[in-house]
Amino acid sequence: DAKTTQPNSMESNEEEPVHLPCNHSTISGTDYIHWYRQLPSQGPEYVIHGLTSNVNNRMASLAIAEDRKSSTLILHRATLRDAAVYYCILRDISGNTPLVFGKGTRLSVIA
Amino acid sequence: GAGVSQTPSNKVTEKGKYVELRCDPISGHTALYWYRQSLGQGPEFLIYFQGTGAADDSGLPNDRFFAVRPEGSVSTLKIQRTERGDSAVYLCASSPPLASLNNEQFFGPGTRLTVL
Repeated sequence: DAKTTQPNSMESNEEEPVHLPCNHSTISGTDYIHWYRQLPSQGPEYVIHGLTSNVNNRMASLAIAEDRKSSTLILHRATLRDAAVYYCILRDISGNTPLVFGKGTRLSVIA
Repeated sequence: GAGVSQTPSNKVTEKGKYVELRCDPISGHTALYWYRQSLGQGPEFLIYFQGTGAADDSGLPNDRFFAVRPEGSVSTLKIQRTERGDSAVYLCASSPPLASLNNEQFFGPGTRLTVL
């Protein structure tokens, strides 16, 4: 699986937007970009995924660079409940495959 | 609806003992995954089932680890002769059949295993 690189930690003020970056320079044409997050003492949960175009859902937005070598997860208004470790993961289009987690970005939200 | 459940939530055992960890996936989910997570690390893949069969067990660290899913629903992860290095949170996830566009994985809360 192609590798992703994320900052170890980030901090945000409550109610402010947060941009979480991810580099994946060796991404292949059949890799989807997935984001999961893990709240304290819980299992990871799915956030969003995309292939080429930017994506929006109720939780977040995903902005994908034109060359697909990087992407950014956008939380439009951070809340204290968004404090978690965010994982950027590449996953082949072929179907059910294990997720390969890195260390992710630990997001702290300050009231 | 009910999510993925895992039992027990915590398990403390002594070095050398045998343990079983149980995962109840979401009803109708054909794929089931086991991961383990050490402190400060992301989850690490162990084994993946598609139905009753293990489709990929390349993540099992050694032959002390074994998992079964005899009826294609509940799965049990079995660890023989436990070692202190086995201490971790063991996570289970399930996902819908391949026809699903998303193939999102739904995770349980995990079982925290401590080997003394």
